[in-house]
Amino acid sequence: IAGITQAPTSQILAAGRRMTLRCTQDMRHNAMYWYRQDLGLGLRLIHYSNTAGTTGKGEVPDGYSVSRANTDDFPLTLASAVPSQTSVYFCASSPAGVTGELFFGEGSRLTVL
Amino acid sequence: GQNIDQPTEMTATEGAIVQINCTYQTSGFNGLFWYQQHAGEAPTFLSYNVLDGLEEKGRFSSFLSRSKGYSYLLLKELQMKDSASYLCAVADSNYQLIWGAGTKLIIKP
Repeated sequence: IAGITQAPTSQILAAGRRMTLRCTQDMRHNAMYWYRQDLGLGLRLIHYSNTAGTTGKGEVPDGYSVSRANTDDFPLTLASAVPSQTSVYFCASSPAGVTGELFFGEGSRLTVL
Repeated sequence: GQNIDQPTEMTATEGAIVQINCTYQTSGFNGLFWYQQHAGEAPTFLSYNVLDGLEEKGRFSSFLSRSKGYSYLLLKELQMKDSASYLCAVADSNYQLIWGAGTKLIIKP
């Protein structure tokens, strides 16, 4: 089934640990995004990639890093997790950037203790 | 600053019509989106407006007035499965999406 796959779906993590959230899409979309969603707030962009080999910072990039080695994969890494990074993380892709429909993964629920 | 405002929660009755409003203040405008998000699930695309007017798609319609910085999503013939959060988002002059906090719609039988 075509779409976006995120892993893990849920994770509890000790503060200070390193964590990578994986995101893979098979739709050959150029643009990919990482968002975090917190209660009472809109989706906030962490990092984005307009095409393989390029990445950019979003609204809340501090404490996170990404890479885009190929079209399909866009992992998000927390170098040293902190409790404020407890959130639901969504990966998304788009064939036409932000003026096109975004396709979201099912989300990764991360709890940092 | 940039801002998207939408009501936090609305309640409506099955079979009725509901209008969810969204007002925005952004640096530039390159389109407005509505997404539906069921609890615990990913957002899914509903509509995209870039020109003023009404876009109809089945039971759902979306309206845009750029001069007023205003949009609404109209849901007709409400069904229980329409219980979800509805997210409004605007693409600004830098083609970054600014998201509202979402409107939780509760449908009662």
